Amino acid sequence: AQTVTQSQPEMSVQEAETVTLSCTYDTSENNYYLFWYKQPPSRQMILVIRQEAYKQQNATENRFSVNFQKAAKSFSLKISDSQLGDTAMYFCAFTTNTGNQFYFGTGTSLTVIP
Amino acid sequence: DTAVSQTPKYLVTQMGNDKSIKCEQNLGHDTMYWYKQDSKKFLKIMFSYNNKELIINETVPNRFSPKSPDKAHLNLHINSLELGDSAVYFCASSQDRAGGLNTQYFGPGTRLTVL
Repeated sequence: AQTVTQSQPEMSVQEAETVTLSCTYDTSENNYYLFWYKQPPSRQMILVIRQEAYKQQNATENRFSVNFQKAAKSFSLKISDSQLGDTAMYFCAFTTNTGNQFYFGTGTSLTVIP
Repeated sequence: DTAVSQTPKYLVTQMGNDKSIKCEQNLGHDTMYWYKQDSKKFLKIMFSYNNKELIINETVPNRFSPKSPDKAHLNLHINSLELGDSAVYFCASSQDRAGGLNTQYFGPGTRLTVL
């Protein structure tokens, strides 16, 4: 079974600080792809960052980076220099080459405090 | 230009009514999806179509019926609405079936409230 677990329902961080959101997953597949999506209060789901499991190098997009630990099946998101606009729900997701769908975690609600 | 659009954005209706939510994507993608997000923000896949063919049909009541007139459109029709149908419904699309770096692009969501 394919599952995604986000163990932190809520988190907060001071503006300009760094925060890490955790995500673990379970799959028996060897080739898969991992994603972090952001859902601000506007409700729009926005792709933040993505990672191919066969790549050892961690993906980075500006202030967003991941710590991908394949053996531990962990895919955490680090947000540096947090900004008020980062306040949102963050969803971890993955998909496999053989599957037909994306699997989402239950989300982490992040609040950036001014 | 909006990549994935949904109409309406808000829908308030009485129990027992029939309603439809429309979704269109102008990305040229082959695959479209419907998700339901409940009050706890949990995202649950409902349906997926690839080139107008149904490829995922999760366990949802048969009151929910997707219709794909062409690969750019995937509409969701709901019969005999119930209180538990209240949720936000998201349409999404991806270039191909889920797999690989086929990123999903989401619509803005439709907040359905059943009174």
